Formats: sequence, C-alpha cells, structure tokens
Amino acid sequence: AQSVTQLGSHVSVSEGALVLLRCNYSSSVPPYLFWYVQYPNQGLQLLLKYTTGATLVKGINGFEAEFKKSETSFHLTKPSAHMSDAAEYFCAVSVGNTGGFKTIFGAGTRLFVKA
Amino acid sequence: GAGVSQSPSNKVTEKGKDVELRCDPISGHTALYWYRQSLGQGLEFLIYFQGNSAPDKSGLPSDRFSAERTGGSVSTLTIQRTQQEDSAVYLCASSLRGPDTQYFGPGTRLTVL
Repeated sequence: AQSVTQLGSHVSVSEGALVLLRCNYSSSVPPYLFWYVQYPNQGLQLLLKYTTGATLVKGINGFEAEFKKSETSFHLTKPSAHMSDAAEYFCAVSVGNTGGFKTIFGAGTRLFVKA
Repeated sequence: GAGVSQSPSNKVTEKGKDVELRCDPISGHTALYWYRQSLGQGLEFLIYFQGNSAPDKSGLPSDRFSAERTGGSVSTLTIQRTQQEDSAVYLCASSLRGPDTQYFGPGTRLTVL
C-alpha cells in the first residue's frame, strides 16, 4: 500500500528565504505525485504534479518539486518566500489498482513566513 | 464551469443521530473522492469512486460510514449513529479520471454534540 510522509508539521521561514517542504512516499509501483495548498479559510487547490517525463516540475506561485525515485522523495521548494505563501501544504501520492487510482495525502506542513 | 459543490456547509447534530452529506462533482468527472480533515490533522482518505467500478472503501473508519454515487454523478456520504469523534470537515473532490488533478469542494463541517 502506498503512504506519504511529510517531515515537519510546521515550518517557519523569513520572508525572502528558501522554502523547503519535505515529502517522502512509499509505493510498489511508479506513483503520480502531487502538492496541494490550502490557504487560510480557502479550499485545497493543486500547486503542481508529477505524472511522467521531466522529474523537475514547476507549479504556480514560483514553487517547484523534483521527483527523485532513488530517494522516494518529492520535496517542494521555492527560492524566496513571500508572506502570501503562508498556508498548509499537502503532498499526495496516487497509485493505480484494479479499481482505478487511489490517492493518499500526507499529514500536511503548515508554512509560516516571518516578516 | 461550476466547481465541486457540497451541502450542507455546516451540520450540527446530536450524538447517535444519522447524517447525510452531499457532493456534486464537476460534470464529466469520472472519479470522486471523500476525505475527512480533523482539526490539526491531514486529509484522511475515506472512499473513492471511479466510473462504474466497485468503489474503494478501504478508508472508511467503521461500518457506520457508507457512501453511494448515483448515476455516476452525485454522491452521498452517510454516517449512522454519529459519535463525537466523527466531528470534522468532510471534503469531496472529483477528477476527470483517477490520477488527474483533484478539484475540491468547500467541505461540510460536521459537529457532533
């Protein structure tokens, strides 16, 4: 069965600093990988996704993530944090089975951005 | 076009009562998911519908929980004999097909007194 581990339930960075949110997954077959973001009092929305092809994936708002099969990781990064990036971020893995594709989400990482 | 809608937005019920939560997915989306988000917790997978295939019910926490999807569109999540630990936000999402981007509804906040 697939699983997702997000290291750090809370991450705090200064405005302008590098953002690094860690995600490791477990899957016996090649997975589809996603990062979703939930801004305060808003619904979840897709940030970026990896399906096939290029392992470095770019998303909205300057975020990107790299799929590293050897490390079973899909860490999310942004070179320079902005106050508006404060939100909760969820990594997710989707793996096919006989009934279709089931998606499992990580526990989430809340990002705080300090002025 | 319209996004995923859920009703009611808020539901307060007494322990032991049954509740029904509704999800209207985006038209044409074949995959539909239900998740539960408790305070300070991540998204807990509950159940997944894909087209006409048998649903993946592996995430339902107990036999008090059930869900159906009629006509490949609207879905209803039913919780029987609610308990206080059922209090959470219940989220529905749909996607064009399984591994595609999921579009989330605003959720139903369930409070069991």
